[in-house]
Amino acid sequence: AQTVTQSQPEMSVQEAETVTLSCTYDTSESNYYLFWYKQPPSRQMILVIRQEAYKQQNATENRFSVNFQKAAKSFSLKISDSQLGDTAMYFCAFMKHVSASGTYKYIFGTGTRLKVLA
Amino acid sequence: KAGVTQTPRYLIKTRGQQVTLSCSPISGHRSVSWYQQTPGQGLQFLFEYFSETQRNKGNFPGRFSGRQFSNSRSEMNVSTLELGDSALYLCASSPRGQNYEQYFGPGTRLTVT
Repeated sequence: AQTVTQSQPEMSVQEAETVTLSCTYDTSESNYYLFWYKQPPSRQMILVIRQEAYKQQNATENRFSVNFQKAAKSFSLKISDSQLGDTAMYFCAFMKHVSASGTYKYIFGTGTRLKVLA
Repeated sequence: KAGVTQTPRYLIKTRGQQVTLSCSPISGHRSVSWYQQTPGQGLQFLFEYFSETQRNKGNFPGRFSGRQFSNSRSEMNVSTLELGDSALYLCASSPRGQNYEQYFGPGTRLTVT
């Protein structure tokens, strides 16, 4: 069974500094997707970044980048130049298609609460 | 485009009652998924609907059910509420049949007393 582990329940970082959130997963699949979602205190979850397992290049979205290590089953999120608005709960998620009909499996980690300090 | 909306935002019920939560996806999105979020368990997948059919289901008891209407709006129902059902219930919609990226609503905070 697939699992997603976020070993850091809480983290803090000074404004303008860089922080890395860890995520490891367990799967025997070769084709899957990995995501980082952000849930600010207002609760609406939004997608931060997405990585397809078949792509070797690490995904980047502005100040957000990932370090995807497929063999190690590791998918960490790096936030550069942290801003106060980055304060949120961050969830790592694993997704794979189960069948051609569109059935899928989406598994979330338990989250890392990040606080950016002024 | 309007985002995913969920109603009501807050709900207080007593044990044994039933509750219905509603979710309106982003226009054009045909897939709707439901999640239960609790502090200890994180997000747990409940079920997913596509074109009015339940396409996938998580490991929740039969007290949890859902449906989707022809306009893609979805409802989930929880019968015989238990204290442990207190949670934030999130709905997410996806822009195409095979879920890839999910757009979440603000959630419904359900408190069971």
